[in-house]
Amino acid sequence: NAGVTQTPKFQVLKTGQSMTLQCAQDMNHEYMSWYRQDPGMGLRLIHYSVGAGITDQGEVPNGYNVSRSTTEDFPLRLLSAAPSQTSVYFCASSYSGPEGKLFFGSGTQLSVL
Amino acid sequence: DQQVKQNSPSLSVQEGRISILNCDYTNSMFDYFLWYKKYPAEGPTFLISISSIKDKNEDGRFTVFLNKSAKHLSLHIVPSQPGDSAVYFCAASDGGTSYGKLTFGQGTILTVHP
Repeated sequence: NAGVTQTPKFQVLKTGQSMTLQCAQDMNHEYMSWYRQDPGMGLRLIHYSVGAGITDQGEVPNGYNVSRSTTEDFPLRLLSAAPSQTSVYFCASSYSGPEGKLFFGSGTQLSVL
Repeated sequence: DQQVKQNSPSLSVQEGRISILNCDYTNSMFDYFLWYKKYPAEGPTFLISISSIKDKNEDGRFTVFLNKSAKHLSLHIVPSQPGDSAVYFCAASDGGTSYGKLTFGQGTILTVHP
């Protein structure tokens, strides 16, 4: 049971480049989400999904796109990378329920030069 | 507007002593509160949670206390161990419409000295 798997672990981009961060979960969780972690800011929600075909914006969605074609996968796309997107990105999944307990992947450290 | 705040960026304690990490919130709609622990280069892992209808939840060395009137919660670790050194995040869930979304505090770096 792998849980939540993120790839790549590290990535360096130049300003304007695009890329996709991959996320997959094998726990059959309904909900999936993307967070970014910045110093002094905690974790902030980028986008989330409540099921295949359904996505919505979080607190900091600008510059990012998501889609969810299957229960297992929830990729995050950076269309035109900016230095402000330098951060650590975490994918998470959870089952339905009021507690909202999240299971996180190991993260992707992204640097945009 | 930061709805969940951890006002202490860091905390240093001696092994064997108590560690107390604090968290304040402003949104009265939050009905679950969770603590996560994060080691460097790893994702956050769930530690303990508490429902808003309780004022205390205990799991081994970890106890979370909730004071709803003060909109304040705290995590107690007794006794503290060097392996507890990590970043601790407080998080809150609006259970009715959470959809797996949590609102996180800024985090507190705990260092436990041998």
